[in-house]
Amino acid sequence: DTAVSQTPKYLVTQMGNDKSIKCEQNLGHDTMYWYKQDSKKFLKIMFSYNNKELIINETVPNRFSPKSPDKAHLNLHINSLELGDSAVYFCASSPGTSGYTFGSGTRLTVV
Amino acid sequence: GQQVMQIPQYQHVQEGEDFTTYCNSSTTLSNIQWYKQRPGGHPVFLIQLVKSGEVKKQKRLTFQFGEAKKNSSLHITATQTTDVGTYFCAGLRTNAGKSTFGDGTTLTVKP
Repeated sequence: DTAVSQTPKYLVTQMGNDKSIKCEQNLGHDTMYWYKQDSKKFLKIMFSYNNKELIINETVPNRFSPKSPDKAHLNLHINSLELGDSAVYFCASSPGTSGYTFGSGTRLTVV
Repeated sequence: GQQVMQIPQYQHVQEGEDFTTYCNSSTTLSNIQWYKQRPGGHPVFLIQLVKSGEVKKQKRLTFQFGEAKKNSSLHITATQTTDVGTYFCAGLRTNAGKSTFGDGTTLTVKP
């Protein structure tokens, strides 16, 4: 299936831990993104990569570090997790300025 | 920075009633996209509008892009329970590397 797939779907972890979320797209898109959706459903961009290069880095704590080993993968590593990091994280990809294809999301709960 | 304001935040309708959500940008947009997110799901791309004054239809959904390319609307005729979800617009400013999402309009439909 052509898609954006991200893992894990659910992540429950304690404060202070380090965790990673992985994302892969097989659509051949050049650009990939990480979005954070809070409890009010607001979608906020965190990072954007184009062909493995970081092009957008919004005001995100440096505990969040994206990594793109190739243009089909964009992973997100989070250090020293805090309660406020609890949210749904969406990976997305797009072929330039056309519509985004979103992954199914990772629901992160920090306890 | 660029803002995309979306109203209303919530809309409750009786099945069969019409529904409209509006997006307004502080700057002229290259394009505007619309997405639908079902409860518990991820945003799904619906359509992209590019031309000034453009109107596109998808069955009961009508999308409009304003003449000044600063506003847009999504109108649903005769809502059904399958229309429930959150509708997001996303506007792309010229030479920007990303689209800016509105805060979404959450639609509930009472049968």
